[in-house]
Amino acid sequence: SQTIHQWPATLVQPVGSPLSLECTVEGTSNPNLYWYRQAAGRGLQLLFYSVGIGQISSEVPQNLSASRPQDRQFILSSKKLLLSDSGFYLCAWSGQYREEYFGEGSWLTVV
Amino acid sequence: GIQVEQSPPDLILQEGANSTLRCNFSDSVNNLQWFHQNPWGQLINLFYIPSGTKQNGRLSATTVATERYSLLYISSSQTTDSGVYFCAVGSSNYKLTFGKGTLLTVNP
Repeated sequence: SQTIHQWPATLVQPVGSPLSLECTVEGTSNPNLYWYRQAAGRGLQLLFYSVGIGQISSEVPQNLSASRPQDRQFILSSKKLLLSDSGFYLCAWSGQYREEYFGEGSWLTVV
Repeated sequence: GIQVEQSPPDLILQEGANSTLRCNFSDSVNNLQWFHQNPWGQLINLFYIPSGTKQNGRLSATTVATERYSLLYISSSQTTDSGVYFCAVGSSNYKLTFGKGTLLTVNP
């Protein structure tokens, strides 16, 4: 069966520090991969999606970037964090049946 | 882009009650999913239902694509049903647009 993991689960970072969140999918090949952010107020905002290795589409211009170095690995990065980057970050994958499945999420607090 | 509206925004129930959550969307879609986010943040896929009706235990969902709405039914609610229910729609192969969710609280 397919599983998705993301880490770290929580982190507190100072303003101006770098960020790296990692997401890995197991049990499937060539998944579509997604990064979402959920700020206070519940809505999920799609940040990046990828349909293949090295293929990244950005939905919202911002201080973040994404990379897909391997088929089942998706990384969210920032060179210098801002206070406004705080939030709950979720990685997700979908396959041929288009249903999306989410990781456990990463709580980021920028101080 | 597609607009997604969910109602009600908040709902409080007693254990054992039934409820109906609604999702309206502004354009034709070929992808519609319902999710449940538990109090710990985990998002669980409940249904992939771009049209028709599906049932899974106490939960069922109906999408009327021609009228641009979907309904999620919860019967005999339990405290573990508490959390936020999201509707998400898409018209391309890759992207979903999420509604703001319905916060459900089930009291014992």
